[in-house]
Amino acid sequence: DVQMTQSLSYLAASPGESVSISCKASKSISNYLAWYQQKPGEAYKLLIYSGSTLQSGTPSRFSGSGSGTDFTLTIRSLEPEDFGLYYCQQYYEKPLTFGSGTKLEIK
Amino acid sequence: EVQLVESGGGLVQPGRSLKLSCAASGFTFSNYYMAWVRQAPTKGLEWVASITNSGGSTYYRDSVKGRFTISRDNAKSTLYLQMDSLRSEDTATYYCTRGGKLVFDYWGQGVMVTVSS
Repeated sequence: DVQMTQSLSYLAASPGESVSISCKASKSISNYLAWYQQKPGEAYKLLIYSGSTLQSGTPSRFSGSGSGTDFTLTIRSLEPEDFGLYYCQQYYEKPLTFGSGTKLEIK
Repeated sequence: EVQLVESGGGLVQPGRSLKLSCAASGFTFSNYYMAWVRQAPTKGLEWVASITNSGGSTYYRDSVKGRFTISRDNAKSTLYLQMDSLRSEDTATYYCTRGGKLVFDYWGQGVMVTVSS
C-alpha cells in the first residue's frame, strides 16, 4: 500500500497568516493527490485534486503543489473558517490511502 | 444540492452483522461511482469499498474482503454496506461518499458503528 505521511499533526496560526501543510507519499504517485478539509459538525469537503486543481467552490487562497512523492497545501491569508482538519489522499493505486491528518488551529 | 444521508449504525456484538444504508439526492445517482470510507476513533481515514455506477464491479480493502459487501439500488438512489463477521477493529464512523474510483467529491455526515460485547 502507498503510505501517506503528514508530518505535522498540529499547526497553529493566526488569521491573515499563510500556512503550508505537507504530505509525503511512500512511492511516486505522479500528481494523483487530493486534499480534503473537515470542520467540526460539517461533512468532509474535497478541496483540491490532481495535486493542484481546485475543486469547484474552493476559495482561490487555497493552492496545491508537488508531484512524485512530495506535496504541499498552502493557504494564503487565513480566514477564520479555514481552521479545521486537513487530509491528503492518493489515488495512484488501490487501496486508496489517506494521510493521518493535520489539525490547523487558531493561535 | 448533493446530499448523502447514512443510517443503520449502532452497537453490535463481535461476529454479528449490520447493514448500513446511504440515501443520495441532488444528483443522478446512477452516473457515479460510490464508496464507503471509515474513521476509527482518534484515527485517520480509511477507504473501505467502492462500487461502479452500474454496480457491476466492486472493490474492497483487504481487511474487509469476504466480510463486507457493497451494493447499490439505482432505482432508489441508495448505497448499502452489508457488514458480516464484525470485529472490534471495525469500530468506526462510516462515511458514504460519492466517487471512489479516484477521489471522493461529496461526503455524508457519517454513521457510528461500535463492535463490542
